[in-house]
Amino acid sequence: EVQLQQSGAELVRPGTSVKLSCKVSGDTITAYYMHFVKQRPGQGLEWIGRIDPEDDSTKYAEKFKNKATLTADTSSNTAYLKLSSLTSEDTATYFCTTSGTTDYWGQGVMVTVSS
Amino acid sequence: DIQMTQSPSSMSVSLGDTVTITCRASQDVGIYVNWFQQKPGKSPRRMIYRATNLADGVPSRFSGSRSGSDYSLTISSLESEDVADYHCLQYDEYPRTFGGGTKLELK
Repeated sequence: EVQLQQSGAELVRPGTSVKLSCKVSGDTITAYYMHFVKQRPGQGLEWIGRIDPEDDSTKYAEKFKNKATLTADTSSNTAYLKLSSLTSEDTATYFCTTSGTTDYWGQGVMVTVSS
Repeated sequence: DIQMTQSPSSMSVSLGDTVTITCRASQDVGIYVNWFQQKPGKSPRRMIYRATNLADGVPSRFSGSRSGSDYSLTISSLESEDVADYHCLQYDEYPRTFGGGTKLELK
């Protein structure tokens, strides 16, 4: 059974960065494109971007191009989302998910940006 | 970017109702639309893929349809476990884009 396990909740200061992880178990990460999705409290879903762990190629939504960086480590079967220059607008739950015949989702990680 | 205009944003429903939620794509996305259900504090769950296909384990009271650029999710004979938020997603091209979401609430 494929599972995506995300790192724990973060409380971070404005202006700093945070790196979130998403570990794939039950299969090799290179079998999937790894996507990340943002959900602000009480709001809808926003697609941030995706990485192909096979060749590290990435795609981003325009609004996240200077905010988010996606990386992957095939040796640990883990994808990462780094968010930089954090503001209150980045306070949200972030999900990782795969695409394909079956999609899998992580449990989500809450990031709170506050001084 | 492709806009997915989802309606309604919220709906007051009763058990046993037939509920239809619609997303209109701003340009052709073919069959590449998924529908997700999301319950409070949970990750989204894919219900429909490629516009009309029922995902594994999804009850047959859920169905997806397409008419031109309009994509619909229909729930027949609504059950209490169906009260949730629903989101459409186009994945025909990047960036992928979601609809604004629909919140179902019991009357």
